[in-house]
Amino acid sequence: EDKVVQSPLSLVVHEGDTVTLNCSYEVTNFRSLLWYKQEKKAPTFLFMLTSSGIEKKSGRLSSILDKKELFSILNITATQTGDSAIYLCAGRGTYKYIFGTGTRLKVLA
Amino acid sequence: DVKVTQSSRYLVKRTGEKVFLECVQDMDHENMFWYRQDPGLGLRLIYFSYDVKMKEKGDIPEGYSVSREKKERFSLILESASTNQTSMYLCASSLGAGRADSYEQYFGPGTRLTVT
Repeated sequence: EDKVVQSPLSLVVHEGDTVTLNCSYEVTNFRSLLWYKQEKKAPTFLFMLTSSGIEKKSGRLSSILDKKELFSILNITATQTGDSAIYLCAGRGTYKYIFGTGTRLKVLA
Repeated sequence: DVKVTQSSRYLVKRTGEKVFLECVQDMDHENMFWYRQDPGLGLRLIYFSYDVKMKEKGDIPEGYSVSREKKERFSLILESASTNQTSMYLCASSLGAGRADSYEQYFGPGTRLTVT
């Protein structure tokens, strides 16, 4: 059965800290791994990863995929209170996206 | 910008009522999806559609049906609402196969449905 597991479930850090969020996956006909940020409403897209070992970067956020170990991480450096959100990862198969339950990140001022 | 809209942000219905949730996207996307999101369970796929009049069951289709008569519109139907269908419902769309960025999903704002 397809599954995506995220860890930790929740995390509380202080502004300026660096955090690493983890995502492991088992997805039939795996195509890509996606990361989303969800604040109070709909998830917004962060990254899509298709190749192992190639880091994708956007400002203070970066992510990398390991297709051998079926694993991805999302790093956030110099965290800010605006980074407080639920971070979702999803593995995409042929059509379907399998989501993890998310990591709830809270950044304290 | 891609826009995915849902017919209601909040909805309260009674047990046994028939409920329609509508989703419209304005970017000519082939694929559309309905999820429900519950605390501790993440997003779970109810149904998806990869073309007009085509539909596929997701992981939790029981108690739901869908309709896609036009490319831009994907409706979720609760034939007889029950309290265990109280949830946040999210619609999403994406382009079809053939483009490198075609697999990013764009989400609507969600409908919080309460069944009493």
